[in-house]
Amino acid sequence: AQRVTQPEKLLSVFKGAPVELKCNYSYSGSPELFWYVQYSRQRLQLLLRHISRESIKGFTADLNKGETSFHLKKPFAQEEDSAMYYCALGGTSYGKLTFGQGTILTVHP
Amino acid sequence: SAVISQKPSRDICQRGTSLTIQCQVDSQVTMMFWYRQQPGQSLTLIATANQGSEATYESGFVIDKFPISRPNLTFSTLTVSNMSPEDSSIYLCSVEPWGAETQYFGPGTRLLVL
Repeated sequence: AQRVTQPEKLLSVFKGAPVELKCNYSYSGSPELFWYVQYSRQRLQLLLRHISRESIKGFTADLNKGETSFHLKKPFAQEEDSAMYYCALGGTSYGKLTFGQGTILTVHP
Repeated sequence: SAVISQKPSRDICQRGTSLTIQCQVDSQVTMMFWYRQQPGQSLTLIATANQGSEATYESGFVIDKFPISRPNLTFSTLTVSNMSPEDSSIYLCSVEPWGAETQYFGPGTRLLVL
């Protein structure tokens, strides 16, 4: 069965501080990992995916198959990063995504 | 990417009634998905709706309760039947455009059942 765990429901940091949102997954197949973000009053949108190995808005995430993790990191948090972040696991043939519980990130000035 | 709209954006309904939610996308897509997000919970996949075939439901969801239509490659509906207060949730439509390898989400429909 697919499972995604985001252990922190709430995360608060100050502007300019590093931030790391944790995500662990359980999946017997070949995983595809995503981070989605939902800003206040906006729809859910893709932030980044492991297959692209890209940096979006200063965020990066590395898939660690040994630790079954896909933590989201940013070296210097900004106030506009405040949002709900969801880690999601795909990889099935029909495109199903399994979401974690989400982490609310608050960046204080 | 894809631009997705949903109607209605929100509704308040009486228990025992049914509500049909529409999802419209601005381009043809093969795969459309319906998710539910209960209060304080994460997103849970209800079913996958592919044009030309029956919807595929996830464990815990049945066609009698959540009938889905997919008449063409840009439109789908989800009906929440015989509603109870436990059906109060946000219902989201998503699509995976060909070659995108990711899903794009609609704005959601916020449903409150009294």
